[in-house]
Amino acid sequence: KNEVEQSPQNLTAQEGEFITINCSYSVGISALHWLQQHPGGGIVSLFMLSSGKKKHGRLIATINIQEKHSSLHITASHPRDSAVYICAVEPYNTDKLIFGTGTRLQVFP
Amino acid sequence: DAGVTQSPTHLIKTRGQQVTLRCSPKSGHDTVSWYQQALGQGPQFIFQYYEEEERQRGNFPDRFSGHQFPNYSSELNVNALLLGDSALYLCASSLAAFNEQFFGPGTRLTVL
Repeated sequence: KNEVEQSPQNLTAQEGEFITINCSYSVGISALHWLQQHPGGGIVSLFMLSSGKKKHGRLIATINIQEKHSSLHITASHPRDSAVYICAVEPYNTDKLIFGTGTRLQVFP
Repeated sequence: DAGVTQSPTHLIKTRGQQVTLRCSPKSGHDTVSWYQQALGQGPQFIFQYYEEEERQRGNFPDRFSGHQFPNYSSELNVNALLLGDSALYLCASSLAAFNEQFFGPGTRLTVL
């Protein structure tokens, strides 16, 4: 079993829909990262959080440390949101990241 | 302000050869981490360099080695290439006290 599990693996949505991507992890962490990867490989950091909730534009990330679970929400989804969304955790006392396998999102007009 | 840059963009090698990949961190960053991302998988941590020393290492064989220079740029070397080393190699930089990592565009290595 992977230390970081994401669901769903693939997600298709119509423009305007509310999107939720989930991440569960099994190790104690000091932080969790949400990343976006576009075709071609470039990765952009969306959020780094260790508690509560963060919002940036149409993106919202939440984390529940006790339940070892995080969600990434996209409101009013748009075709340009189409990408792979990756959850990564930073275990205690390390600076390395352990990644999930990603959720491939496609938003159609 | 340039972000993280990597070179080359693409590389094709044959089994048994050696390869060197390069990374320049974001201005002001002092820590460089390297990741391997196989097709359809999430990235896997290879190692991290800080103050010119390998600070942490993932589960990769000794064929994978690295270096960090005084200007914080870094190299990843892979010896005796195997077909399974074909992947996207990502470099990420950060400031030691804050682990928000900024990723480069990656180098796609194909081993034939």
